[in-house]
Amino acid sequence: GQQLNQSPQSMFIQEGEDVSMNCTSSSIFNTWLWYKQDPGEGPVLLIALYKAGELTSNGRLTAQFGITRKDSFLNISASIPSDVGIYFCAGLPPYSNYQLIWGAGTKLIIKP
Amino acid sequence: NAGVTQTPKFQVLKTGQSMTLQCAQDMNHNSMYWYRQDPGMGLRLIYYSASEGTTDKGEVPNGYNVSRLNKREFSLRLESAAPSQTSVYFCASSERGGPYEQYFGPGTRLTVT
Repeated sequence: GQQLNQSPQSMFIQEGEDVSMNCTSSSIFNTWLWYKQDPGEGPVLLIALYKAGELTSNGRLTAQFGITRKDSFLNISASIPSDVGIYFCAGLPPYSNYQLIWGAGTKLIIKP
Repeated sequence: NAGVTQTPKFQVLKTGQSMTLQCAQDMNHNSMYWYRQDPGMGLRLIYYSASEGTTDKGEVPNGYNVSRLNKREFSLRLESAAPSQTSVYFCASSERGGPYEQYFGPGTRLTVT
């Protein structure tokens, strides 16, 4: 089946730094979603992208739907302690309205 | 407005035992989902229900059954638990299929010994 490669697996950052992560696939997607998961909780949607080339912001977060429809990027500017957690990308393939394909996650850790 | 609720939060089973994980949503959503999350992996879809009265297999349905009891409730049953089913289980719901936000419950952490 389709797979999403999410990188990096984890990131150690200083408070105030900018963060970038991405997801790539060999197949196209119709929708890209970025979720954040805090420990002991379910994922929460951060940003949804619906068109190739689309750039969308949500506060300090900015995400882009790659022009080839095979990748997506998430940037976080000026990171703060509450940004720690696991960030997941998820894509909705052309063949299904229900079966999201998920990346393995990027774990964000703030250096003390 | 509780969103998506799941019970229990934690469960330990012995191999071969059965149990049902409960999920309910109060957002009047049409579609509901069961996922499992294993360390270092993304979520994997077990079953979904596009609308009341319908259920379909996802990526990893073997060893599980589901029931869409009504529009609010979607349960997941393990008939004969195996250690490979040790995981965190999430229920989610969305207004309908397609590019609509999925809202997740807090998860059930299941250990099978």
